[in-house]
Amino acid sequence: DAKTTQPPSMDCAEGRAANLPCNHSTISGNEYVYWYRQIHSQGPQYIIHGLKNNETNEMASLIITEDRKSSTLILPHATLRDTAVYYCIVRGVKAAGNKLTFGGGTRVLVKP
Amino acid sequence: NAGVMQNPRHLVRRRGQEARLRCSPMKGHSHVYWYRQLPEEGLKFMVYLQKENIIDESGMPKERFSAEFPKEGPSILRIQQVVRGDSAAYFCASSPVLNEQYFGPGTRLTVT
Repeated sequence: DAKTTQPPSMDCAEGRAANLPCNHSTISGNEYVYWYRQIHSQGPQYIIHGLKNNETNEMASLIITEDRKSSTLILPHATLRDTAVYYCIVRGVKAAGNKLTFGGGTRVLVKP
Repeated sequence: NAGVMQNPRHLVRRRGQEARLRCSPMKGHSHVYWYRQLPEEGLKFMVYLQKENIIDESGMPKERFSAEFPKEGPSILRIQQVVRGDSAAYFCASSPVLNEQYFGPGTRLTVT
């Protein structure tokens, strides 16, 4: 699976949009971009994933550049409960299934 | 629809004892993954199982660790003769086919 690069930390003001960048310059054509987050010591929580089109769900939006070498996770209205470590993961889908490889992630602190 | 369930949530074992961690996947999910998170470290993949089969155990330590997912009942991660270095949070995830993985709350193992 391709490697990802994320900033180690970022702050965000409550009520504002949080834009979390991720670089994955070696991504291949059949690999998806997944986002998970881990709120202090809890199990990781699935947020969203995409292949090449932008995606939106009730939690967030995922913007993938046309060349697919980077993406941005957008939390439209950050709340204090969004404070967490956010992981960008590139994952292929193979017949035998595929593990998730977690990097260091971005530690997001939402401030009042 | 209940989420992934793990028990016990906290487990204390003395060095040399056995630890058994249980994971009940979400209803309809036939794929189970185990991950370990050592203190102050990221999540690391351990093993991927389908019913009665181990598909990928590339992340499992060579000795003392085993996993199973029987036809009936939960998936079990078994650690024999625990040592202090086994103290960690162990997370189970499940997925339907090869889609996004949903994580349980984890079992925190403390070896004294």
